[in-house]
Amino acid sequence: EIVLTQSPGTLSLSPGERATLSCRATQSVTNNYLAWYQQKPGQAPRLLIYGASNRATGIPDRFSGSGSGTDFTLTISRLEPEDFAVYFCQHHGNSPCTFGQGTKLEIK
Amino acid sequence: QVQLVQSGAEVKKPGASVKVSCKASGYTFTSYHIHWVRQAPGQGLEWMGIINPSGGSTSHAQKFQGRVTVTRDTSTSTVYMELSSLTSEDTAVYYCARLLPPNVYWGQGTLVTVSS
Repeated sequence: EIVLTQSPGTLSLSPGERATLSCRATQSVTNNYLAWYQQKPGQAPRLLIYGASNRATGIPDRFSGSGSGTDFTLTISRLEPEDFAVYFCQHHGNSPCTFGQGTKLEIK
Repeated sequence: QVQLVQSGAEVKKPGASVKVSCKASGYTFTSYHIHWVRQAPGQGLEWMGIINPSGGSTSHAQKFQGRVTVTRDTSTSTVYMELSSLTSEDTAVYYCARLLPPNVYWGQGTLVTVSS
């Protein structure tokens, strides 16, 4: 089973700043099948990025994903107030489809 | 439009079992695997298992082996997740989801509370 470790656990930034979130896997992710989700309180997660770097439908271009193998990054170029939430990475290849433990992006 | 509609909240005593349903609509039920993911209060997302509605084959996270059963009823396009031997640590929101990108869909979640 692939274990995903996200860092940092909490990231405190101000609107307009750039956010860089990391996700590291214990083994190479097949075909870079790595997704990023955003979750706000009381809501189901929303898909942002899949296949490491492909934006999902309707996701603003300030969100971008990069990386391959075992190291992946989600970058939010200029934070908007609505971007403060919890972010999870997920291995969406063969089961088990594990999730990282999450990064909380909070307003500084 | 694609919808996954889950059954309502449950309160169970320790040692009991719970069965959560997930009714799919808006697409061909047998064409997409359905996953179960849970989230304990204030915690992260935990993948539990998957079912192929076409043939009924399943796979589960090692943590839940022997305690979780996922089934489907193709006549009603419904997937069921049953979790047995409940403890307080099973208190969580349980989601069914279609997790094949790019078109990912989640149910609304079912809160299961385990309390004596």
